[in-house]
Amino acid sequence: DAMVIQNPRYQVTQFGKPVTLSCSQTLNHNVMYWYQQKSSQAPKLLFHYYDKDFNNEADTPDNFQSRRPNTSFCFLDIRSPGLGDAAMYLCATSTRGWGYSNQPQHFGDGTRLSIL
Amino acid sequence: GIQVEQSPPDLILQEGANSTLRCNFSDSVNNLQWFHQNPWGQLINLFYIPSGTKQNGRLSATTVATERYSLLYISSSQTTDSGVYFCAVGEWDGGTSYGKLTFGQGTILTVHP
Repeated sequence: DAMVIQNPRYQVTQFGKPVTLSCSQTLNHNVMYWYQQKSSQAPKLLFHYYDKDFNNEADTPDNFQSRRPNTSFCFLDIRSPGLGDAAMYLCATSTRGWGYSNQPQHFGDGTRLSIL
Repeated sequence: GIQVEQSPPDLILQEGANSTLRCNFSDSVNNLQWFHQNPWGQLINLFYIPSGTKQNGRLSATTVATERYSLLYISSSQTTDSGVYFCAVGEWDGGTSYGKLTFGQGTILTVHP
């Protein structure tokens, strides 16, 4: 009964070869997030969607893009992966509460990306 | 942006010991979550606790929002409690950030048998 599902759990790609990571959710949440977590560091937000409204963090590299074709799915595209992009990528979802209150975020198990 | 500091950075315990982890934050929040990241990298949600006190088995948490800190208590620790504990907060900003979480740097907990 997994609620936020990330595929694959492990992904290996070559330097410069485009790669796509996927996230799906069964919670029907309107907000979806992508976080990057490098080794021995805290997760850091890359961008998020509120419904189809895309919001990029100011310091997210242009190499990273995202698509959300429907409520359930969200994709992270890395156009030309470099060695520094090796990391755990975490997808999360939440609902936007009434009166601007925030609701808890629910995380998937992550995709660990390696670059050869 | 908001600053989140966790202490201690590292903690080593014998099985059965109790511990307290602390999270300080620099501004008003309307979301605070405690997570446990296990050795496989999975981020497990422990508590959603923007204010007040909650308990779940051997774990409990308290957030004093007016004083900008939260505490996570682990009692009778077990080896399976080992991993990294993260505190993450969402700023109170009138709803413009859609719930963005800012994470502390984490506390690495090691429990020896």
